[in-house]
Amino acid sequence: GAVVSQHPSWVICKSGTSVKIECRSLDFQATTMFWYRQFPKQSLMLMATSNEGSKATYEQGVEKDKFLINHASLTLSTLTVTSAHPEDSSFYICSAPTSYDYNEQFFGPGTRLTVL
Amino acid sequence: AQRVTQPEKLLSVFKGAPVELKCNYSYSGSPELFWYVQYSRQRLQLLLRHISRESIKGFTADLNKGETSFHLKKPFAQEEDSAMYYCALSQGAQKLVFGQGTRLTINP
Repeated sequence: GAVVSQHPSWVICKSGTSVKIECRSLDFQATTMFWYRQFPKQSLMLMATSNEGSKATYEQGVEKDKFLINHASLTLSTLTVTSAHPEDSSFYICSAPTSYDYNEQFFGPGTRLTVL
Repeated sequence: AQRVTQPEKLLSVFKGAPVELKCNYSYSGSPELFWYVQYSRQRLQLLLRHISRESIKGFTADLNKGETSFHLKKPFAQEEDSAMYYCALSQGAQKLVFGQGTRLTINP
């Protein structure tokens, strides 16, 4: 199956700093990637759709200036949490469908962000 | 609004017993439904989808539009089935709405 990687797997940062999380499709091209957020013992919440070569589309209630998404190539999307605060601490997961099966999404392993 | 409800956060059954994980949805259009599974220390992965009508690892799920349900079933549970299970609904444009998840534990 297709593989999606994320880097870093975990990160700790100070309040007020920015953190970049990468999502890569390793063996396929992804024109679309999705970013989710998962709080402890809760479900995945879709944050935004990352579109290669164009602006990301954000779900209602997600601040686009807070969570910057860049999808500069067909294999890489980045999520930057700007001016992070403790309430941004969460598990961030990306996913991508392949071009030959839009119904199946492949998920990254997730990135745990802790903001002190 | 689209919504997926999994009423059980935790489900525990004995090995060899039947398993049913419940999922109900609300969606105004024609739904596409999925079950995703996350084993311990592994990433989320697709288990099955309703359009395939297939059985994966002994699991099946039937879409019941009248009851707006997509329950996941397995006649004889195995210890390796212990995992977190998420029911998901496609909103179109490949966007998924997830249920709260059910943690299934199979006791030996």
